[in-house]
Amino acid sequence: EDQVTQSPEALRLQEGESSSLNCSYTVSGLRGLFWYRQDPGKGPEFLFTLYSAGEEKEKERLKATLTKKESFLHITAPKPEDSATYLCAVQTGNQFYFGTGTSLTVIP
Amino acid sequence: NAGVTQTPKFQVLKTGQSMTLQCAQDMNHEYMSWYRQDPGMGLRLIHYSVGAGITDQGEVPNGYNVSRSTTEDFPLRLLSAAPSQTSVYFCASRPSGSYEQYFGPGTRLTVT
Repeated sequence: EDQVTQSPEALRLQEGESSSLNCSYTVSGLRGLFWYRQDPGKGPEFLFTLYSAGEEKEKERLKATLTKKESFLHITAPKPEDSATYLCAVQTGNQFYFGTGTSLTVIP
Repeated sequence: NAGVTQTPKFQVLKTGQSMTLQCAQDMNHEYMSWYRQDPGMGLRLIHYSVGAGITDQGEVPNGYNVSRSTTEDFPLRLLSAAPSQTSVYFCASRPSGSYEQYFGPGTRLTVT
């Protein structure tokens, strides 16, 4: 059964305190792994696509990496505006499977 | 570009009522999808379309109908609303050749 698990469920960081979010997956025929950011009351906003193990993508303070079984979203020196829920998703065929997300709070 | 738009933003239905959630995109994207988001469940795919006239079922299609008569519009129909369909519904689109999905702002539906 295709499955996506994110950890931790919630994370509180001090401003400037770097950390990582985890997304582990078990799917057959992975076509891509995706990271989204979701602010309260809004739709998810695309961040990254990763296609193969060893691939890395960066955007400002965020860096996403991919292995054969999991992906990490590294947040370096976060700011309060990075507070949001971060969603991981995988694609097999035309189907997308999402994790339940990690709620990140960055305290000034 | 307005991107992906959804109406209404909020809706309350009684059990057994029917309604249509509207979704439109002005980016000429071929792929469109409907998801529901429930606490502790993550986003789940209901139905999707790979182009006008072509639709297919996702992970949780029961109780919902879709059609795609134009590239721009992808309405989701609830035939007979049930309390289990209380959720936040998101529409998304993406161009062919890209897996980057653009999401609408969502419709919060409550069925009593």
